[in-house]
Amino acid sequence: NAGVTQTPKFQVLKTGQSMTLQCAQDMNHEYMSWYRQDPGMGLRLIHYSVGAGITDQGEVPNGYNVSRSTTEDFPLRLLSAAPSQTSVYFCASSVAMESLTQYFGPGTRLTVL
Amino acid sequence: GQQLNQSPQSMFIQEGEDVSMNCTSSSIFNTWLWYKQDPGEGPVLLIALYKAGELTSNGRLTAQFGITRKDSFLNISASIPSDVGIYFCAGQPTSGSRLTFGEGTQLTVNP
Repeated sequence: NAGVTQTPKFQVLKTGQSMTLQCAQDMNHEYMSWYRQDPGMGLRLIHYSVGAGITDQGEVPNGYNVSRSTTEDFPLRLLSAAPSQTSVYFCASSVAMESLTQYFGPGTRLTVL
Repeated sequence: GQQLNQSPQSMFIQEGEDVSMNCTSSSIFNTWLWYKQDPGEGPVLLIALYKAGELTSNGRLTAQFGITRKDSFLNISASIPSDVGIYFCAGQPTSGSRLTFGEGTQLTVNP
């Protein structure tokens, strides 16, 4: 099992550009989520999905879109990147939303100039 | 929403020393979790606590669920260089609800 994989590992964007952060898991987990990590602020939930075809907003969803067309993949789209979106992004998955054992990917470090 | 205050923000210790960090909440939590994040990696779950007063160990790590249900503590005994990383607490106010994460404690261990 590869677990949770994320690509790319690093990315630099210019303000206004769009891009998609990829996340995939091979554990057949129903629940997947995206967090951003900023210094001194812990992990904040952006969007989550309880299963294919179902997504919902987390704590800080503005400026991001998600979709869940398959159980395995949960991409995060930045529509028009802003410097405030400079952060480290983590994707996580678990068997179900109620499960406390979340498996995190290695992260994507994004810089928006 | 709920806020978790984690302290200290950073610690610089010598190898072999014991470490203590804690997390406090403005409201009651049903579950407390402690994660470790190695440099360049995602967080990994270390210990989960489900009951007020519960004390759970994982090797040299010991965590406690505070009696008031508004705090939790993590202790690391006899630290070693591979303990370096960021330690996060996380809480779940009710079963099935989303986790709230603390700000993290950056631990540096000098050999």
